[in-house]
Amino acid sequence: GAVVSQHPSRVICKSGTSVKIECRSLDFQATTMFWYRQFPKQSLMLMATSNEGSKATYEQGVEKDKFLINHASLTLSTLTVTSAHPEDSSFYICSARTGVSNQPQHFGDGTRLSIL
Amino acid sequence: GNSVTQMEGPVTLSEEAFLTINCTYTATGYPSLFWYVQYPGEGLQLLLKATKADDKGSNKGFEATYRKETTSFHLEKGSVQVSDSAVYFCATYGGSQGNLIFGKGTKLSVKP
Repeated sequence: GAVVSQHPSRVICKSGTSVKIECRSLDFQATTMFWYRQFPKQSLMLMATSNEGSKATYEQGVEKDKFLINHASLTLSTLTVTSAHPEDSSFYICSARTGVSNQPQHFGDGTRLSIL
Repeated sequence: GNSVTQMEGPVTLSEEAFLTINCTYTATGYPSLFWYVQYPGEGLQLLLKATKADDKGSNKGFEATYRKETTSFHLEKGSVQVSDSAVYFCATYGGSQGNLIFGKGTKLSVKP
């Protein structure tokens, strides 16, 4: 149980395009979803938190107009990297949680984004 | 806020060697502690967890004990295998959103 599906697993695209990444909870209702970014050989840094039906809360230093997050249902959140540039290349991982804050976070397999 | 600090790698071991990856925490109260594993090119998988002081989490031969006296949660395995090669992250709750925060990760390479 508690499966989180993230799609696509890998994206390669040209600079200036927008890229959408989906995160789905397959067998539970995810009231909260987290989006992390991982630079090579580094840890995961939280970008933003989304609660179903509410605006996302962004961490300091993360551009909300650059990284659009939508959490329209209890099983789906999307991250759109708008007008992507090479510096946006990274590994993006979503995580989903149900209920209150002490519930486990379940992770997707990540999306490798490469901007040429 | 809460934080975790883990030893930096990389760690290179021969097969069947003993593994220890140190993790210490700073926290208000006693939050749950976790070890996650990330295999090459993949996302994170929960390896084990402990929810209160003196708890021992275990899975796949790995163990970690939540020690409040030393504020530690060291990961151990008695005999590593090549398939254990991965990056290991210590984590706890501590973000403003109740999210997990991670250590910097320790890369383990096990040689045959």
